[in-house]
Amino acid sequence: DVKVTQSSRYLVKRTGEKVFLECVQDMDHENMFWYRQDPGLGLRLIYFSYDVKMKEKGDIPEGYSVSREKKERFSLILESASTNQTSMYLCASSLILGTGSTNTQYFGPGTRLTVL
Amino acid sequence: DQQVKQNSPSLSVQEGRISILNCDYTNSMFDYFLWYKKYPAEGPTFLISISSIKDKNEDGRFTVFLNKSAKHLSLHIVPSQPGDSAVYFCAALPTGANNLFFGTGTRLTVIP
Repeated sequence: DVKVTQSSRYLVKRTGEKVFLECVQDMDHENMFWYRQDPGLGLRLIYFSYDVKMKEKGDIPEGYSVSREKKERFSLILESASTNQTSMYLCASSLILGTGSTNTQYFGPGTRLTVL
Repeated sequence: DQQVKQNSPSLSVQEGRISILNCDYTNSMFDYFLWYKKYPAEGPTFLISISSIKDKNEDGRFTVFLNKSAKHLSLHIVPSQPGDSAVYFCAALPTGANNLFFGTGTRLTVIP
């Protein structure tokens, strides 16, 4: 079974703080993703990475950066947290670019971030 | 611009009856579709998928139907169980792409 873990389930930070969210997958997947989920807006893609040290912007990259130094680990960084970044953050991974099932994304449990 | 739409934010169904969740898309380049189920405070879990070369895929109580001409897919759950109560997201993958496009979700409540 694919396992995607996230460093924290719940996190409370103050406005202006630098925040690191860590994600690790154990299935040697090439692709990793960061989403945020907000009520009524579904899942919105922040960034994704298809290889070590490679990254691509998603739909809402502003205010975020990412780091992928190792294949299994993908970090999301909020350089200066703001209250509008209060959200559920979800990490996912998928095997490789290809057809069909190789693109199925497997999600971690999520991190509920509150910025005060 | 939302390329994958779930126009019903919520659905209530009696236990034992059929639940039908709908999803519409606008991008004709989508060729693979997935349904995810999400419980509160958990990440989405993959439920079932369908390739654009098929019009139906079945897995136990779950069946996904794809109507390419109408750019519409639906998830049928028969019979519905209280444990099926969750938010369901449909997602679509464009040809040659890595990233999924998600709908906004439908909250299903199965009433015992």
